[in-house]
Amino acid sequence: DQQVKQNSPSLSVQEGRISILNCDYTNSMFDYFLWYKKYPAEGPTFLISISSIKDKNEDGRFTVFLNKSAKHLSLHIVPSQPGDSAVYFCAATRVRGSRLTFGEGTQLTVNP
Amino acid sequence: GAGVSQTPSNKVTEKGKYVELRCDPISGHTALYWYRQSLGQGPEFLIYFQGTGAADDSGLPNDRFFAVRPEGSVSTLKIQRTERGDSAVYLCASSGWGTSGRGNTGELFFGEGSRLTVL
Repeated sequence: DQQVKQNSPSLSVQEGRISILNCDYTNSMFDYFLWYKKYPAEGPTFLISISSIKDKNEDGRFTVFLNKSAKHLSLHIVPSQPGDSAVYFCAATRVRGSRLTFGEGTQLTVNP
Repeated sequence: GAGVSQTPSNKVTEKGKYVELRCDPISGHTALYWYRQSLGQGPEFLIYFQGTGAADDSGLPNDRFFAVRPEGSVSTLKIQRTERGDSAVYLCASSGWGTSGRGNTGELFFGEGSRLTVL
């Protein structure tokens, strides 16, 4: 049972444009959501998070939107840069600080 | 070092052998997590420690897998009678969650992982 799904295995955008990565979840008990970025041969790196009591959280070029009724969240990167090329994982948890459930990941490629 | 350290970075073993993977978390982090990542998949939860005790071990796939954290710092993931299906990257993460002051964000800091190949 895949409780967190990222339906797009890959996304390609031009430098300077917006990248939108999507994530859906099925467990209504999830209360906290995170995005991680992963480069090859490295561990995942935390990017941004959002609590279920909010619908938007912004940090520089990165914004995460949460639609609880649709059980959907998205990560917007504006403007996209070639250094953003990586695999992006969506993750969710019922209790902050406890186990995370990850999606399958989306490979983002930003072309110069 | 300042980050999460995992050893070995690569381990090749034969089916049926015993393997130990070590994780050295960020100093002061009380929470420690083990995940497993197979090719093309997201990290899959195995076990989570808060201090010395396992707060949640529900992700361990079977009784061949065991993890310890005897002094609340370094942790060892132990795999007995390895099988080819155990081949994956084993990721360790630590978090300041549960401590006061800085670092109390619940954010997980991951190591680079230990790549296990069972022949």
